[in-house]
Amino acid sequence: KQEVTQIPAALSVPEGENLVLNCSFTDSAIYNLQWFRQDPGKGLTSLLLIQSSQREQTSGRLNASLDKSSGRSTLYIAASQPGDSATYLCAVLNYGGSQGNLIFGKGTKLSVKP
Amino acid sequence: EAGVVQSPRYKIIEKKQPVAFWCNPISGHNTLYWYLQNLGQGPELLIRYENEEAVDDSQLPKDRFSAERLKGVDSTLKIQPAELGDSAVYLCASSLTGAVADTQYFGPGTRLTVL
Repeated sequence: KQEVTQIPAALSVPEGENLVLNCSFTDSAIYNLQWFRQDPGKGLTSLLLIQSSQREQTSGRLNASLDKSSGRSTLYIAASQPGDSATYLCAVLNYGGSQGNLIFGKGTKLSVKP
Repeated sequence: EAGVVQSPRYKIIEKKQPVAFWCNPISGHNTLYWYLQNLGQGPELLIRYENEEAVDDSQLPKDRFSAERLKGVDSTLKIQPAELGDSAVYLCASSLTGAVADTQYFGPGTRLTVL
């Protein structure tokens, strides 16, 4: 059974710092991996999606990497801003089993202080 | 384009009472998902619909939970009777098809508190 773990559970940094969020998964037979953002009282917004054949994806100040063989992904946020404060969730999509069923980690709660 | 709409946004009920949540997916999206998100946890799939057919309900506690998607558009998730442990956020998502590569778009969720 696929398990997704995110470290750290919470992170507080001063504005302007570069930071890394970590995600690991136990079954490397994934179709893709996604990073989501969740603001309090709101739904999930997809930030980056990495296909299993890719090594990284970039969007603005965000860069996500994927090492499928070791079961790890990182989300790098450059020059953090207070508006980046949110919970970041990692989710994988497995081959086989039920198509379309995302398996989520518990998330990392990020606080960026002005 | 309107996103996934859910109502109510918040609901407080006493245990043993029934409760229902409503979801309107993005127009044209054939696949609809209901997720449960407990506090401090990631979402977990409850049920997935392809049009009006429930194609994966293996994680739905069928003794008290039920869902329907009449006419393959809107969907309702019901709990009867509610228990204290049902307090959570119930998220609805939709995608164009159920293909593995399709992006899922999430609604804001309904936060349920059972007293």
